[in-house]
Amino acid sequence: DIQMTQSPLSLPASVGERVTVTCRASQSIGTSLNWYQQRPGKAPKFLIYTASNLQGGVPLRFSGSGSGTEFTLTISSLQPEDVATYYCQQSYSVPWTFGLGTKVEIK
Amino acid sequence: QIQVVQSGAEVKKPGASVKISCKTSGYTFTSYGISWVRQAPGQGFEWLGWISVYNGDKKYAQKFQGRLTMTTDTSTDTAYMELRSLRSDDTAVYFCARDGGIEGAIGWFDPWGQGTLVTVSS
Repeated sequence: DIQMTQSPLSLPASVGERVTVTCRASQSIGTSLNWYQQRPGKAPKFLIYTASNLQGGVPLRFSGSGSGTEFTLTISSLQPEDVATYYCQQSYSVPWTFGLGTKVEIK
Repeated sequence: QIQVVQSGAEVKKPGASVKISCKTSGYTFTSYGISWVRQAPGQGFEWLGWISVYNGDKKYAQKFQGRLTMTTDTSTDTAYMELRSLRSDDTAVYFCARDGGIEGAIGWFDPWGQGTLVTVSS
């Protein structure tokens, strides 16, 4: 199975600050990497597919990049409503696997 | 709009089975697939399996093959997941999510159901 490793586990940041979450795959997965946002007590929300494509309705301050084994999710200007845990997930091969999440909080 | 609504919380004893429903609306059910994912308390996500509503094709995470059954009912646009021989470490919130299309599984999940808490305890 492909292992997904996220860093950091916790990310305190100020409103308006640029935030970057990193996700690494245990083997090359091309651009088969997706990102989700999970607010406390809620179901995950799909943000980005194939590394850099923003799902419809997702604010433009979210962006994704990377290929191979290293990927990033960036929030260009953190807003209070972005407080959540962010998960990466590979769709390169079954079983689809997830990172353990990065909790983004307001400092 | 697209909605995915799951059945309510369940409490089961070890060795029992649980069956969760996932009712969809707002899109053509038969043109997509459904994946099942779970999240144990305080843990990350674990994908269990996928079923194509279009042709019944299935994919499984190997650890669940043999005790996981996924079905769909196109008359009610509902998917079902049954997990048998439950253990305490199956305690988790179980999610269904739309995944893939007629061409097969894509491996990304949108949208998700609200989740169903399954508690396995003697």
